Amino acid sequence: EAGVAQSPRYKIIEKRQSVAFWCNPISGHATLYWYQQILGQGPKLLIQFQNNGVVDDSQLPKDRFSAERLKGVDSTLKIQPAKLEDSAVYLCASSLELAGYSTQYFGPGTRLTVL
Amino acid sequence: AQRVTQPEKLLSVFKGAPVELKCNYSYSGSPELFWYVQYSRQRLQLLLRHISRESIKGFTADLNKGETSFHLKKPFAQEEDSAMYYCALLNTDKLIFGTGTRLQVFP
Repeated sequence: EAGVAQSPRYKIIEKRQSVAFWCNPISGHATLYWYQQILGQGPKLLIQFQNNGVVDDSQLPKDRFSAERLKGVDSTLKIQPAKLEDSAVYLCASSLELAGYSTQYFGPGTRLTVL
Repeated sequence: AQRVTQPEKLLSVFKGAPVELKCNYSYSGSPELFWYVQYSRQRLQLLLRHISRESIKGFTADLNKGETSFHLKKPFAQEEDSAMYYCALLNTDKLIFGTGTRLQVFP
C-alpha cells in the first residue's frame, strides 16, 4: 500500500513569510496527525484530526499556525507569519482509527528552514 | 506531568555486543509504551509496543513499573541496527516522544 505522502520535502523561507505543507494519508485512515520535530528533540504533536474534525490542537500555536482537513482526507498545515524558531521537520502521520493502539504511519516529513 | 526521558543521546557499540537503550517515563496510571525507529533516510516507524510483548528484529522491551522504565534490549547488535530510536508514551490517544538515542554499531 502507498504510504503517507508529504510535500514539499524541503522549504526555505525568510521570517515573517508564510508557508504551507500538504499531507495525503494512507487511504482509509481516519486519523491524521501533524508533528513538529525540532533538531535534537523528539516529535511533538501539534494537531490531531479524526476524519475532518479536530480532536486535539492543544499544542498548536494558534496565533500563527493553522491546519485543516476539509474533506477528511488530505490536510494542510500553514504557518503565517513564520518565526526563526519554527525551523523544524514537520511530520504527518495517519492511523486507521483514533484508538491509541492503532499504529501511526509517518510520512517522510517536510524540513523547514526559516532565515 | 507525563514525560519520557531518554538519557543517552548516543550509544556506540561493536557488532555482536549487547545493546540496551534506556527509557524512563513519568505517568499517572497504567502506561502504554512504544519504541519507534528511524533508519538513515527512512521514515519513522513503529518497532514494538509493550502490550504486544513481542520481539522485533531481535529487540525486546520490558515494562518495569517499579522503576518506571521501558528499556530496549538486544543481545547481539548488528550493523543494520544503526538508527535513531525513540521511546514514546501514549497519553489519551496522543504519543509523547522522548528525545531519542542514536545507536551506532561498528563492524
